[in-house]
Amino acid sequence: DADVTQTPRNRITKTGKRIMLECSQTKGHDRMYWYRQDPGLGLRLIYYSFDVKDINKGEISDGYSVSRQAQAKFSLSLESAIPNQTALYFCATESSAGPYEQYFGPGTRLTVT
Amino acid sequence: SQKIEQNSEALNIQEGKTATLTCNYTNYSPAYLQWYRQDPGRGPVFLLLIRENEKEKRKERLKVTFDTTLKQSLFHITASQPADSATYLCARVYNQGGKLIFGQGTELSVKP
Repeated sequence: DADVTQTPRNRITKTGKRIMLECSQTKGHDRMYWYRQDPGLGLRLIYYSFDVKDINKGEISDGYSVSRQAQAKFSLSLESAIPNQTALYFCATESSAGPYEQYFGPGTRLTVT
Repeated sequence: SQKIEQNSEALNIQEGKTATLTCNYTNYSPAYLQWYRQDPGRGPVFLLLIRENEKEKRKERLKVTFDTTLKQSLFHITASQPADSATYLCARVYNQGGKLIFGQGTELSVKP
């Protein structure tokens, strides 16, 4: 089984809808991250969490919110989806004990029409 | 602001040659740089980490250098193979911990 899983893998939704993307990990890592990837723009950090009680905004947090339900689960919500949130979304985990490599999930392809 | 830049043009090379990818950063040198491989539609996969006080790091056919004077890291794949075709991402750590800033990636294509 994969160490980092994301659901759904693909999602098409309409403008104005609320949508939640979920991430689960079995690596036992304390740190978790949400990124979005757009063609030509690379990976951009949306939110990150260094432990269950620690949530921080990243580079592009407007229009998004997160919830760290447990050490193994980190969810990303789009409160009211808009077309420019169409992108590939990745969750990643990392251990604060090092060696500081991040492990990525398979991604969720989100389309907002 | 801290930036990290990679050559956005695709790199095309012949099988067996050495591929060299460039990553440039601005402002102060990060404590470490990382390199990831990403295949189309999939999540990035960690390859190598090089610390500020290391000049060079190797792993099998991969070699990474870190030049704090030039503010640059080079990523080499020797004896390249078509299976090495992918996009390679460079990332710098933000300040001392955790957050990474990624470059936009360089697409490598190795032709047989």
